[in-house]
Amino acid sequence: SQKIEQNSEALNIQEGKTATLTCNYTNYSPAYLQWYRQDPGRGPVFLLLIRENEKEKRKERLKVTFDTTLKQSLFHITASQPADSATYLCALGRDSWGKLQFGAGTQVVVTP
Amino acid sequence: DADVTQTPRNRITKTGKRIMLECSQTKGHDRMYWYRQDPGLGLRLIYYSFDVKDINKGEISDGYSVSRQAQAKFSLSLESAIPNQTALYFCATSDPQPSSNEQFFGPGTRLTVL
Repeated sequence: SQKIEQNSEALNIQEGKTATLTCNYTNYSPAYLQWYRQDPGRGPVFLLLIRENEKEKRKERLKVTFDTTLKQSLFHITASQPADSATYLCALGRDSWGKLQFGAGTQVVVTP
Repeated sequence: DADVTQTPRNRITKTGKRIMLECSQTKGHDRMYWYRQDPGLGLRLIYYSFDVKDINKGEISDGYSVSRQAQAKFSLSLESAIPNQTALYFCATSDPQPSSNEQFFGPGTRLTVL
């Protein structure tokens, strides 16, 4: 069966450092992968999309890589700030119909 | 988040009761989704609708039904609530254009079934 794995342990990181999150998947061939941010008591908010033919995408302090051979995406937050503290979800999609498979998310805690 | 609203935000009910969760959106999107979120399991798709006349089952539709009353409204019903339906429920919308397939989520409904 399809499986998407994100680190269940919270990532504690000092302000200014780079946070790196992983999203691994099995039995799935996504056409694209998305990352969302979720704050407590709120719905997820879209951050970035990367397609299967793209190796890397950047948006401000965020960087995403996608390795279809390793079946893995890495999500980096550079120069992290306490305001980056949240849970980050990866989501995989195959087509333009909008159906996504979500990982359980990884909590990031950035301390001053 | 104000573009996608959900009511109620919190609900406590008893086993066997019928419950309706409502979702409204002002984004003008045709596509709407219902998910549930459980600790450690991530978001799972219950039902989705690509327009008013199109309703599709998702990964975990058993015990749920939906109604798409208009482009802007998509309701989720639990016909006879059971305790393992206790979860956080999210409604989402998306637009096929642009092709990022970004989904816009509501604030969620926390449902507790006793």
